[in-house]
Amino acid sequence: KNEVEQSPQNLTAQEGEFITINCSYSVGISALHWLQQHPGGGIVSLFMLSSGKKKHGRLIATINIQEKHSSLHITASHPRDSAVYICAVRRGGGADGLTFGKGTHLIIQP
Amino acid sequence: NAGVTQTPKFQVLKTGQSMTLQCAQDMNHNSMYWYRQDPGMGLRLIYYSASEGTTDKGEVPNGYNVSRLNKREFSLRLESAAPSQTSVYFCASSAGRSGTEAFFGQGTRLTVV
Repeated sequence: KNEVEQSPQNLTAQEGEFITINCSYSVGISALHWLQQHPGGGIVSLFMLSSGKKKHGRLIATINIQEKHSSLHITASHPRDSAVYICAVRRGGGADGLTFGKGTHLIIQP
Repeated sequence: NAGVTQTPKFQVLKTGQSMTLQCAQDMNHNSMYWYRQDPGMGLRLIYYSASEGTTDKGEVPNGYNVSRLNKREFSLRLESAAPSQTSVYFCASSAGRSGTEAFFGQGTRLTVV
């Protein structure tokens, strides 16, 4: 079983819909990251969370440390939001590097 | 505002050839990382450097070597490339080990034939 699981793997929605991507992890962590990767492109950091909730524009990320679960929400989705969204965790205990989920491929249709 | 710069962006190697992937960051970060991304799998850590002069193995280090040349630069070397090393390679950096944002390069798409 992967230490970081994302769902769904693929998601197609219509422009304007509210999008939720979920991430569950099975290890102790010091931080959780949400990343965005456009086709053929690099990886951009969206959020880093260790507790609670963060908002940036139409994007909202939440984390529940007790349940080992995080969600990424996109409000009023737009075709330019089409990308792969990746959840990654930094393990607790001084471990270095990130452990990644496999990503959620999101397509927003006009 | 360059951030993390990787070169080259694309490379095709023949089995057995060697090459070095270059990475540089201009954010004065202590930690630097090399990851590989393969279809159907999450990114996996190859090597990392927590500070200048130190390097450590990650999850998939076999077939690779690294050099932290100075605080800015962290290179990844394939001594004898194999088809299994066909992948997209990402360099990343962060200010410290925990509680800090990660910044990624644009990736290097490597094909070994």
